[in-house]
Amino acid sequence: AQTVTQSQPEMSVQEAETVTLSCTYDTSESDYYLFWYKQPPSRQMILVIRQEAYKQQNATENRFSVNFQKAAKSFSLKISDSQLGDAAMYFCAYRSGDSSYKLIFGSGTRLLVRP
Amino acid sequence: DTAVSQTPKYLVTQMGNDKSIKCEQNLGHDTMYWYKQDSKKFLKIMFSYNNKELIINETVPNRFSPKSPDKAHLNLHINSLELGDSAVYFCASSQLDKPNTEAFFGQGTRLTVV
Repeated sequence: AQTVTQSQPEMSVQEAETVTLSCTYDTSESDYYLFWYKQPPSRQMILVIRQEAYKQQNATENRFSVNFQKAAKSFSLKISDSQLGDAAMYFCAYRSGDSSYKLIFGSGTRLLVRP
Repeated sequence: DTAVSQTPKYLVTQMGNDKSIKCEQNLGHDTMYWYKQDSKKFLKIMFSYNNKELIINETVPNRFSPKSPDKAHLNLHINSLELGDSAVYFCASSQLDKPNTEAFFGQGTRLTVV
């Protein structure tokens, strides 16, 4: 069974600085998809960025980028120029490329942004 | 237009009661899900329906029964509520043949059993 591990329960970053959130996963599959979701206090789950395992190039979305290391089964999220609005819970999620469809989530990292 | 909407957003009820949470999506997706987020923020899949057919049924007590009248709706009925059922329940939807696209989530229903 696949598992997703986020080893940082909480991280803190100064506004305008850069922070990296860690995620590792365990799978025997070669085809899968990885996501980072953000959950602000409003509870809404918002997609931040996605990565297909077959793509070597790391995904980027404006200030958000990932460092995808397939051999190491690592999928970290880098937030550049942190803003107060980035404060939230961040969840790493794994989706199998086969017919299981479900998302398997890590335990989350709470990101605090200091003004 | 809300993509995935759940009602109610908050639900407070007594132990032993039966309650339902409704979910509707207007994205045209063919697959819908229920996830449970516990007090430690851990999210776990409960059920999934594809075109009204149950495709995922995780280890969930029989007191929980999902129902999908059509592919745009997925409701969750809970019988004989227990204190441990208190959590936030999220509905989500996605398109089965596009696993690289994200699942869209509703705003969640915070269930409190007293």
